[in-house]
Amino acid sequence: QKEVEQNSGPLSVPEGAIASLNCTYSDRGSQSFFWYRQYSGKSPELIMFIYSNGDKEDGRFTAQLNKASQYVSLLIRDSQPSDSATYLCAVRSGNTPLVFGKGTRLSVIA
Amino acid sequence: GAVVSQHPSRVICKSGTSVKIECRSLDFQATTMFWYRQFPKQSLMLMATSNEGSKATYEQGVEKDKFLINHASLTLSTLTVTSAHPEDSSFYICSARGQGTSPLHFGNGTRLTVT
Repeated sequence: QKEVEQNSGPLSVPEGAIASLNCTYSDRGSQSFFWYRQYSGKSPELIMFIYSNGDKEDGRFTAQLNKASQYVSLLIRDSQPSDSATYLCAVRSGNTPLVFGKGTRLSVIA
Repeated sequence: GAVVSQHPSRVICKSGTSVKIECRSLDFQATTMFWYRQFPKQSLMLMATSNEGSKATYEQGVEKDKFLINHASLTLSTLTVTSAHPEDSSFYICSARGQGTSPLHFGNGTRLTVT
């Protein structure tokens, strides 16, 4: 069974710090990796996706993928209180449905 | 960016009635749409996958006769919760994806409360 593991948190970081969110996955055939942000009571919102090993940067967000270690992470630089949310890691192989982790709750403290 | 519109955002209904939820992809053709359910403080649970013009594929434990899914066009999928019961109260979220490896985009969700 394909699994995506995330630490449920909460992860608390001070405002302005770097938040590091981690995710591991079990299916070596996974090809696409996504990070979603979900505020309480709202639906998930796509933040970033990454397909190749290495880093991908978009503004304050950096996604890192290491397929050999089956590990994907999301770094948030200069964390803001508005970044406080649950971050969902999602993984897909081929045309199959996304497999979601249970999410990590991030709390940025002003 | 890709926009997925879901309607209604909130619905309250009486036990035994049916509720229809619509999901539309506004600026792209969604070859595949997914329906999720999320209970409070729980993770997203995939209910079913629907491809335009074919029958939906339901996940284990999801009753296909209770949760009717129709994906009649490349921009519209509907989920009908038939004979709703209080235990069906949940946050239902649709999502849509274009062709290939394009990312999944979510609608704003429908909060269903069955009294």
